[in-house]
Amino acid sequence: KQEVTQIPAALSVPEGENLVLNCSFTDSAIYNLQWFRQDPGKGLTSLLLIQSSQREQTSGRLNASLDKSSGRSTLYIAASQPGDSATYLCASSSGSARQLTFGSGTQLTVLP
Amino acid sequence: GAVVSQHPSWVICKSGTSVKIECRSLDFQATTMFWYRQFPKQSLMLMATSNEGSKATYEQGVEKDKFLINHASLTLSTLTVTSAHPEDSSFYICSAVKGNTGELFFGEGSRLTVL
Repeated sequence: KQEVTQIPAALSVPEGENLVLNCSFTDSAIYNLQWFRQDPGKGLTSLLLIQSSQREQTSGRLNASLDKSSGRSTLYIAASQPGDSATYLCASSSGSARQLTFGSGTQLTVLP
Repeated sequence: GAVVSQHPSWVICKSGTSVKIECRSLDFQATTMFWYRQFPKQSLMLMATSNEGSKATYEQGVEKDKFLINHASLTLSTLTVTSAHPEDSSFYICSAVKGNTGELFFGEGSRLTVL
């Protein structure tokens, strides 16, 4: 059974700082890995999707990498802003139905 | 990006009543939708996989007679919480698979409070 772990559970940084969020998974037989953002009381917003054959994806200030062999993914946020404050979830897609297994999330606070 | 709409966004009901939550993919067809449950400060837990035109597949520990799922069309899946009790109070989120990439798009969630 796939297990996804995210470290750290919470992170507080000053505005403008670059930061890295970590995600690890136990089963490397994944279809893809997806990073999401969740604001309090809201649903999930997809940030980046990395297919199993890819190494990284970039969107604006966000860059996500994937290393299947080591079971790790990272989300890099450049020049953080207070508006980036949210919970960031990673999830791996596996199984016959390609269901997602979520990590417990990293709660990010960017201080102005 | 693709849009998935959930309705209602919040609902309060009395214990013993049934509540239906709708999940619609507005600009794409989704043969597969997923239903999740999220408790405060916890991550999402998959409840069931909903496939258009067939019975849903429930995760271990999820009562299929308690949480009825219907996926009657390529753009709509519904979750009915039957005979709701206070312990069913939670945030329910649906997602829909778009295309062949496996990318999921999520609804805004529905907060259920059972009194």
